[in-house]
Amino acid sequence: EADIYQTPRYLVIGTGKKITLECSQTMGHDKMYWYQQDPGMELHLIHYSYGVNSTEKGDLSSESTVSRIRTEHFPLTLESARPSHTSQYLCASSEPRRYRGGGNTIYFGEGSWLTVV
Amino acid sequence: AQSVTQPDIHITVSEGASLELRCNYSYGATPYLFWYVQSPGQGLQLLLKYFSGDTLVQGIKGFEAEFKRSQSSFNLRKPSVHWSDAAEYFCAVASYGGSQGNLIFGKGTKLSVKP
Repeated sequence: EADIYQTPRYLVIGTGKKITLECSQTMGHDKMYWYQQDPGMELHLIHYSYGVNSTEKGDLSSESTVSRIRTEHFPLTLESARPSHTSQYLCASSEPRRYRGGGNTIYFGEGSWLTVV
Repeated sequence: AQSVTQPDIHITVSEGASLELRCNYSYGATPYLFWYVQSPGQGLQLLLKYFSGDTLVQGIKGFEAEFKRSQSSFNLRKPSVHWSDAAEYFCAVASYGGSQGNLIFGKGTKLSVKP
């Protein structure tokens, strides 16, 4: 199992504030992800990274941005939060495809619940 | 495009009864399939995964799943449900096209357990 840590777990902030959701993993995984999940809904990929200095947009458009300066760290930033950003944000990382027969197991953190009021 | 369908939004079973959660996928090649469980307010925990080989895979917490290529299915089963199994269950397929291994999730099945 991968160890992935997300902070804060719960955050309530006002509209227009800038926030950064932190995500760190200790397994040395190159690939990392951010998923967004509205309550009772499926997960949607919003960002991913192949490694340091790599960031890609996911399947769901998001106003958030990410950075990958270090392998273990993949923070997500909202420059100006809005109520529509209220959601759960899940960070994840995955083993290299060459491991375990080529599979790509993705491990998740416990999530960050963001409420924008 | 790849997709995952979980036909049942909500299932209620009695404690001790057997459980089967359905998952159908659409994928052109051999899929990599996963089942995750999410307890309220928590992230996703990997239950089991299928990459190749034996089509019946064993996971944690007494769960198993069977890959049936002819039916494009990967149903999750447990012979005897415990109250602590109440959670949301997500089936997912890994895409290996342009998305380079990103997971595509179904909409989830919420499991309730009656005492």
